[in-house]
Amino acid sequence: AQSVTQLGSHVSVSEGALVLLRCNYSSSVPPYLFWYVQYPNQGLQLLLKYTSAATLVKGINGFEAEFKKSETSFHLTKPSAHMSDAAEYFCAVSEGAQKLVFGQGTRLTINP
Amino acid sequence: GAGVSQSPSNKVTEKGKDVELRCDPISGHTALYWYRQSLGQGLEFLIYFQGNSAPDKSGLPSDRFSAERTGGSVSTLTIQRTQQEDSAVYLCASSLSAGAGANVLTFGAGSRLTVL
Repeated sequence: AQSVTQLGSHVSVSEGALVLLRCNYSSSVPPYLFWYVQYPNQGLQLLLKYTSAATLVKGINGFEAEFKKSETSFHLTKPSAHMSDAAEYFCAVSEGAQKLVFGQGTRLTINP
Repeated sequence: GAGVSQSPSNKVTEKGKDVELRCDPISGHTALYWYRQSLGQGLEFLIYFQGNSAPDKSGLPSDRFSAERTGGSVSTLTIQRTQQEDSAVYLCASSLSAGAGANVLTFGAGSRLTVL
């Protein structure tokens, strides 16, 4: 069965600094991988997804993620953090048309 | 509808009462999910409906929890004999089952359940 581990329940960076949110997955077949974001008092929305095409995936708001099969990782990055990036970020994995399984989430705080 | 609709948005109930939470997915979405989000916790998978297949109930935490999906559309999550630990936001999501939209979930705003 597939599973996701997000390293770090809280990450804090300064405005303008690099954002790196870590995600490792476990899957018995080539996975589909996703990052979702939940802004305060809002629902979850899709940031980006990997579905076996390019290993570097670009999403909304300047975020991107790189699929590394050898490391079973799908870390999320953004070169320069903005105050509006403060939110909770969820990594998720599915095996084809199977259910989507989410990680525990990482709360990102941006310091002025 | 344009999005996933959940009702009620807020529900306060007394311990031991039964509650029903409703989800109306996006028209044409064959996959429907229920998740639970507790304070400080991630998204806990509860149940997954995919078309006419038997639902994946592997995430339901106890036999007090059940869900059904009538006519492949609206779903109801029922919690019997509620306990205080059931207090959480219950999220419903739907998606297409195949193609580029597969597994791209659209979430509802959630139903916040408080058990006193």
